[in-house]
Amino acid sequence: QVKLLQSGAALVKPGASVKMSCKTSGYTFTDYWVNWVKQSHGKSLEWVGEIYPNRGSTKFNEKFKGKATLTVDQSTSTAYMELSRLTSEDSAMYYCTRRQYRYNYFDFWGQGVMVTVSS
Amino acid sequence: DIQLTQSPSSMSASLGDRVSLTCQSSQDIGNFLSWYQHKPGKPPKPVIFYATNLADGVPSRFSGSRSGSDYSLTISSLESEDTAIYYCLQYDASPYTFGAGTKLELK
Repeated sequence: QVKLLQSGAALVKPGASVKMSCKTSGYTFTDYWVNWVKQSHGKSLEWVGEIYPNRGSTKFNEKFKGKATLTVDQSTSTAYMELSRLTSEDSAMYYCTRRQYRYNYFDFWGQGVMVTVSS
Repeated sequence: DIQLTQSPSSMSASLGDRVSLTCQSSQDIGNFLSWYQHKPGKPPKPVIFYATNLADGVPSRFSGSRSGSDYSLTISSLESEDTAIYYCLQYDASPYTFGAGTKLELK
């Protein structure tokens, strides 16, 4: 069955970077876009960006350009998101999701990674 | 950016009630509107995709509809396990956007 398994929670200092992983299984990794979604505490969901593992093509919410970097490792069917120059505004839960390409919706989700930015 | 306005922001209903949540789009997004159920400590779960299609494993008491730029999620007979926050998502034009959510509670 399809699974997206994300890395563990991270506590990072302001100004630092954090890289989180999303290991997929149960489907052909290179056939589906992997999306990333942010949820700040008590707030709604926010689309960060997506990556197509086949070519490494990316699309971003303008708000996250320069903040988020998306990469993949095809050999391990794993997607990564790195967040740089962290501030308290980056403290949030981050989910990876698989986009079902025909109808453009997120059909499978990772369990989420809690990132806390604190000195 | 396309704005999705969800209403109400919160509501309470009794077991067995028929419940309707709405999501209004600021621009034409066709049918690229999906609904997600989000419970504490879990990732969001798809409920409806392409405006009217039931996602895998979702009970048939859930349904989706569209009238122009207004989209609705209806639960025909509310059960206790349906309490959650429900979000709509448009995936027609970047940046893809979510509504602010509707918190559904039991009365």
